[in-house]
Amino acid sequence: QVTLKESGPALVKPTQTLTLTCTFSGFSLSTGGMRVTWIRQPPGKALEWLARIDWDDDKFYSTSLKTRLTISKDTSRNQVVLTMTNMDPVDTATYYCARFYCITSNCWFDYWGQGTLVTVSS
Amino acid sequence: LPVLTQPPSASALLGASIKLTCTLSSEHSTYTIEWYQQRPGRSPQYILAVKSDGSHSKGDGIPDRFMGSSSGADRYLTVSNLQSDDEAEYHCGESHTIDGQVGVIFGGGTKLTVL
Repeated sequence: QVTLKESGPALVKPTQTLTLTCTFSGFSLSTGGMRVTWIRQPPGKALEWLARIDWDDDKFYSTSLKTRLTISKDTSRNQVVLTMTNMDPVDTATYYCARFYCITSNCWFDYWGQGTLVTVSS
Repeated sequence: LPVLTQPPSASALLGASIKLTCTLSSEHSTYTIEWYQQRPGRSPQYILAVKSDGSHSKGDGIPDRFMGSSSGADRYLTVSNLQSDDEAEYHCGESHTIDGQVGVIFGGGTKLTVL
């Protein structure tokens, strides 16, 4: 059974760095083809893809946020960590981690965490 | 880059059918998109993917009431025999690698109300 769960601070101050951890089970990021992503959703707004890390340690970032994001993995702990620097109130959102699953050329987010709400406020 | 456009809201009666639309930018009209359902207070859940030829592949456990289809740049999700549990936000998404740049785009979502 695949599960993912996000953890991190519920409140951060403007200009601070946010660190979120995705702890997963039911698959391994050392297995070929496995990929984990981060997606966020501001209250009442659309989903926004942030970053992805693959089994081979390839990393991909949203073009608009790439200067602020770092994604990494700890395969032994089944964790993926996302850091976002210079937080601003507009970054207030629910942050989700999700597995990105591909079969041939078809890919989708097949399992999602419950999400963690991060509020940016002084 | 692709753009996905969704109407912000839709409504239909309990037991009826509804066809939700996700429109790709014209220059990306051949792309495959995915539909996700997000019930209030919950995480999104994958429903199905729709290709430009109208073929679709569903997620595990998705009922036959959910079907995908396509016409030009439009990708549809038809939900038949609407249940109260179908009241949710429906998102379309598209993942791509263009000029070596990996990205994912989501539409603005359609809030479906079951009357």
